[in-house]
Parts: sequence; C-alpha cells; structure tokens
Amino acid sequence: KAGVTQTPRYLIKTRGQQVTLSCSPISGHRSVSWYQQTPGQGLQFLFEYFSETQRNKGNFPGRFSGRQFSNSRSEMNVSTLELGDSALYLCASSLSEVGQPQHFGDGTRLSIL
Amino acid sequence: AQSVTQPDIHITVSEGASLELRCNYSYGATPYLFWYVQSPGQGLQLLLKYFSGDTLVQGIKGFEAEFKRSQSSFNLRKPSVHWSDAAEYFCAVADTGTASKLTFGTGTRLQVTL
Repeated sequence: KAGVTQTPRYLIKTRGQQVTLSCSPISGHRSVSWYQQTPGQGLQFLFEYFSETQRNKGNFPGRFSGRQFSNSRSEMNVSTLELGDSALYLCASSLSEVGQPQHFGDGTRLSIL
Repeated sequence: AQSVTQPDIHITVSEGASLELRCNYSYGATPYLFWYVQSPGQGLQLLLKYFSGDTLVQGIKGFEAEFKRSQSSFNLRKPSVHWSDAAEYFCAVADTGTASKLTFGTGTRLQVTL
C-alpha cells in the first residue's frame, strides 16, 4: 500500500511569491493534516481537512490556506512568502476513526531567498 | 491547552545499551499519546500509540512505552539500542480519538556510539 506522497520534495522561492504544495493521502484515508517544522518552533499544526472541509485550524496567519479535493488529495498554499516561512512542511493522513493514528509523508522542504 | 515536554534535547548511548526517552504531557482529559521517529531528510514514522487499555504498549523496532497517568508521563524504552536507531524522537498528544491534530514535544535527538 502506497504511503503519503508529497510533491515537490524541494522548493526554492523568493519573498513575496506564493507557493502550492501537494499531498496525496494513503488510499482510503479521508483526513489530511498539515504541519510546519522549523528548528525554532518545532512541529506545529497548520490545519486539517476532512471530506473537503476544514475541520481544525492552528494558529497561523491567513496567508496559509488549504483545500481538499473529492479524491482526498490536498493542497496547501502560502501567499506573500516571508523568510520565516522556510520550513519542512509535512502532510499526514488518517482514517479519522478512533484509535487510528496519522501517517506522515516525507515532506516538502521550502526555502525562501 | 495541551502541551508535551521532552526534557532531554540530546542523548548519547552506546550500541547495545538500554534507552529511555522521557515525555511528560499536560492535558485535562484522557490523552491519546504517540511516539514518532524522524531520520534526517525524512518524515515522521509512527513507533507506537496509546489510546486506552494496557498502559504498556509495544511498538515497532523493539520499542515500548508505558503510560503513567499519576506522573503524566509516556516514556519510550528499548532494552538494547542499535546504531540504526540514531534519529530524532518526538512524543505527541492528541485531544480526540481521531488524532487529527497533534501537539508535539520539541524532540530528543539520539546519538548511538559504536
């Protein structure tokens, strides 16, 4: 069974640009969550989508947004990029049933110049 | 709000020695607890989880963890460490059984000497 797939693996952008990251969950998983990982702040929850609806949201500015498609694939968008947005962005999927954990992809490394 | 504390930033052990990584959580209700491992350049791999029942849970790669409600702890253990266990270990807590929003500790980096 294929795992969580994130594309691209690496991205380089400049300040002010916008970026879209993609996540394909494990087949059958309907919940997709996004996390940001930085050396200073650690792993922080961004948001979760379930059945194309945002179900949970972390404490990030509105520049960070996401969406989920009918096939459960999810995209995350960051607009007006700032240097501090440089991070590893991790996507996780789950069955969203009690007792079922999240499974993570290998992440997208975003570097802002 | 829930929180997770991993007091040890960096631990070094010899190959073959035992290992215990500490994790303390703060959460008012029944916690759902996890340990994940991350190798350089990789995502997070689930080692084990605690949702309910037996407080000693077994995971992959020979790891186990014990949930102690009285101490608000969920420490990870391994009786004999292998060089391939060198990685960063994260403890996490979820506030719902569906575990869709995790709060992570700051991680413990494990170095294994030969």
